Amino acid sequence: GQNIDQPTEMTATEGAIVQINCTYQTSGFNGLFWYQQHAGEAPTFLSYNVLDGLEEKGRFSSFLSRSKGYSYLLLKELQMKDSASYLCAVIRNAGNMLTFGGGTRLMVKP
Amino acid sequence: EAGVTQFPSHSVIEKGQTVTLRCDPISGHDNLYWYRRVMGKEIKFLLHFVKESKQDESGMPNNRFLAERTGGTYSTLKVQPAELEDSGVYFCASSQEGTGSEAFFGQGTRLTVV
Repeated sequence: GQNIDQPTEMTATEGAIVQINCTYQTSGFNGLFWYQQHAGEAPTFLSYNVLDGLEEKGRFSSFLSRSKGYSYLLLKELQMKDSASYLCAVIRNAGNMLTFGGGTRLMVKP
Repeated sequence: EAGVTQFPSHSVIEKGQTVTLRCDPISGHDNLYWYRRVMGKEIKFLLHFVKESKQDESGMPNNRFLAERTGGTYSTLKVQPAELEDSGVYFCASSQEGTGSEAFFGQGTRLTVV
C-alpha cells in the first residue's frame, strides 16, 4: 500500500519562513509534487522533485530525500495570500496518476 | 490559453438520481484524470484516460460510475444511481504525455447527494 503523511494544520506569521513536511511510503516511487489549493479553487502546481536535493523557485523551495521517503516545502517571506492548503502527491512507476496526502492547511497571520 | 474547465460547478441531487459531470481538458493534452475528494479525506484517484482509451480505472469505486472520453477530447463521468456516499468534490486534471508532466486541475464539481 501507500502512505503519505503531512501535518493537518500549521500557523505562521506574515514575513516569516515556514516548512511543511511530507513523508511517504510507496513502491515504485517516480516523483513528488507539491500543489497549492485555495478554498473553492483548483489545485495549482508548485513544484516537482524526482531527484534528491533542493529545487528553488522564487519564495518557494522544495526538497526531496528518496532514501528517507521525505520531502518538504519551504515558503519564505510569507504573505497573507499564502494562506491555503498545500498538497503533497506522489507518482508511482511509469504512470502519471497522483496519490495525495491529506493536505496541510496553512494560516498566515499578520 | 483556457485551463481545465468543469461543469457544473455545483450539483445537488436526490439519492437514486443520475448526474453527469463534464470535463474539458486543456487542448492538446492526451492525459485526462478524474479525482474525488470526499469530506475530510484526501483527494483520491478515480481513473486515467490517454486520448480516448482508459489507461487505468483502478480507482473507480463501483459500477455505478461510468466515465467516457469519446473522440479523446472532453470527458464525462456519470453516477447512476447516486448514493449519499458519492457526495464530494470531483476534480478533473489534464497533462501532456510523459512521466512527471504537470497536471493542471479544474476547479472541481461539488456534488451533494441528499
